[in-house]
Amino acid sequence: AQSVAQPEDQVNVAEGNPLTVKCTYSVSGNPYLFWYVQYPNRGLQFLLKYITGDNLVKGSYGFEAEFNKSQTSFHLKKPSALVSDSALYFCAVRDSGGTYKYIFGTGTRLKVLA
Amino acid sequence: EAQVTQNPRYLITVTGKKLTVTCSQNMNHEYMSWYRQDPGLGLRQIYYSMNVEVTDKGDVPEGYKVSRKEKRNFPLILESPSPNQTSLYFCASRGGPSTDTQYFGPGTRLTVL
Repeated sequence: AQSVAQPEDQVNVAEGNPLTVKCTYSVSGNPYLFWYVQYPNRGLQFLLKYITGDNLVKGSYGFEAEFNKSQTSFHLKKPSALVSDSALYFCAVRDSGGTYKYIFGTGTRLKVLA
Repeated sequence: EAQVTQNPRYLITVTGKKLTVTCSQNMNHEYMSWYRQDPGLGLRQIYYSMNVEVTDKGDVPEGYKVSRKEKRNFPLILESPSPNQTSLYFCASRGGPSTDTQYFGPGTRLTVL
């Protein structure tokens, strides 16, 4: 069975510092991995995805994620955090078999302090 | 503007009173899905549809029904709501098998008393 874990409920970081939001996964077969962001009172917005190719994936708003197959991780990173990055972040994995089944993590609240 | 719309955005109801939450997308997407979001549990998929008249269960389908009679609409039906269905519900769509990005609606906050 597929699963996704986000071990941190909340991450606090000072503005201008680098940030990391952690995600580990468990899948059979090749992983299709995603990061989504949710701002207050809004739906989720797509940030980036890993399907195949380079282990470092670049996405929206300056975010990137590093795929590590040996550690089964897909951590979200940004070199310099902004206060406006404060939001709820979800990691997700999709079934590679062509269905529309997704498994989401429990979410990590990022708080960037001015 | 490309979007997924949901109605109503907020709903308070009582146990056992049937309700429908509508979802519509204007992107001609083949795939649509319903999720519920609960604190500490993240998003969990309720049902999804990969084409008109084709639906399948997600991880938490109990107590819910869906239908996909036309491509743009994917209503979520609660025949007999119970308090444990109090949640934040999201509809999402995705273009099709060759695409990966999901587009989410703004959410429907449902309270069942």
